[in-house]
Amino acid sequence: ETGVTQSPTHLIKTRGQQVTLRCSSQSGHNTVSWYQQALGQGPQFIFQYYREEENGRGNFPPRFSGLQFPNYSSELNVNALELDDSALYLCASTLAGGTGELFFGEGSRLTVL
Amino acid sequence: GEDVEQSLFLSVREGDSSVINCTYTDSSSTYLYWYKQEPGAGLQLLTYIFSNMDMKQDQRLTVLLNKKDKHLSLRIADTQTGDSAIYFCAERNPGNNRKLIWGLGTSLAVNP
Repeated sequence: ETGVTQSPTHLIKTRGQQVTLRCSSQSGHNTVSWYQQALGQGPQFIFQYYREEENGRGNFPPRFSGLQFPNYSSELNVNALELDDSALYLCASTLAGGTGELFFGEGSRLTVL
Repeated sequence: GEDVEQSLFLSVREGDSSVINCTYTDSSSTYLYWYKQEPGAGLQLLTYIFSNMDMKQDQRLTVLLNKKDKHLSLRIADTQTGDSAIYFCAERNPGNNRKLIWGLGTSLAVNP
């Protein structure tokens, strides 16, 4: 039990649509990061938020965007969905500093048809 | 460059020891992690090691770090069927807002 919850657990969208994935972090964890994990791959870093501002980004286009809220929840938004966006999207929270241990949610599995 | 490499598959018998290996390229990495992912589940931190350590032991888990060769290993003693999962090695990059760089994962199969 990591204290990180994600919703929805599964969803299906069609190409061109938009999707919002949600994450609720542990209280006091002021850093949240999002990862994309395609089938058979390791997680790929999308971006990280600290105190409601983006402070790191991986090699993902601008149609991937996010928000972090004061109540330790966050969102990942993806516009103009493409077939290759089908993946497990993982949210992870951590305390800034320290060992950098990430506490992961169970993920949201997105299928784009 | 950023690259973490692992062998993709490992098969062991129940009760044997498992050794999962990982190599990384960023010599400035501060922490190295081992995560476990069971089918359909998220990632669970197993253990981590700070870069100035050579070894860390935690119950059945032993992590060895060879910083000169940039080689990390995870040994699981007395492997059980419940240890069957994918094991990911990750390094923490101090430069790029401390994001984690991940390997592709090693799928461990434990045979009765």
